[in-house]
Amino acid sequence: EVQLLESGGGLVQPGGSLRLSCAASGFTFSSYAMSWVRQAPGKGLEWVSSISGSDGSTYYADSVKGRFTISRDNSKNTLYLQMNSLRAEDTAVYYCAKDLRINGDFNGMDVWGQGTTVTVSS
Amino acid sequence: DIQMTQSPSSLSASVGDRVTITCRASQSISTYLNWYQQKPGKAPKFLIYAASSLQSGVPSRFSGSGSGTDFTLTISSLQPEDFATYYCQQSYSTYTFGQGTKLEIK
Repeated sequence: EVQLLESGGGLVQPGGSLRLSCAASGFTFSSYAMSWVRQAPGKGLEWVSSISGSDGSTYYADSVKGRFTISRDNSKNTLYLQMNSLRAEDTAVYYCAKDLRINGDFNGMDVWGQGTTVTVSS
Repeated sequence: DIQMTQSPSSLSASVGDRVTITCRASQSISTYLNWYQQKPGKAPKFLIYAASSLQSGVPSRFSGSGSGTDFTLTISSLQPEDFATYYCQQSYSTYTFGQGTKLEIK
């Protein structure tokens, strides 16, 4: 069974840092692009960042560019999101998601984790 | 950046109704359009990709159409489990989601 399990969320002060992890199982992790999507309380879905499976290219939403870093460790089947200079508006549930197609980028997200909550507050 | 606009933002309907949700892109995205369903407290579920291709396991009452800038998601006969929020997403240039359409029971 294909599964994604996020961890690392929590309460952090404005300006602080946090690293999220997403453990993948049930598929060839290295062959798929992976993404982070967030949802602020009571709001819609916002794409945050993606990383290619084929060459490790990275992509970011303007709202997090320069503050967040996506990475992956294919030997550990794990996706990461390093979040620095956190702001109150980064408060959200963060989901990791798998791309639909093998060796492709931006084809849609067919498998999602359950989400991890990040709260930025003093 | 490509903006996605859904209409309506909310919709009331009854079991058995046929429902259509519209999504418009700020520029042409060919058929790089996906649809998701989300229920409260749950992760989104992938419904349709490439504008009209049904994801495996999704009931055939769901269908998608469109190309260029205008797209629709249609549910042919609403079932109780279909009451949820629906999001479109463009995948032509990175990703952008629409603001969502909340489908409620009338």
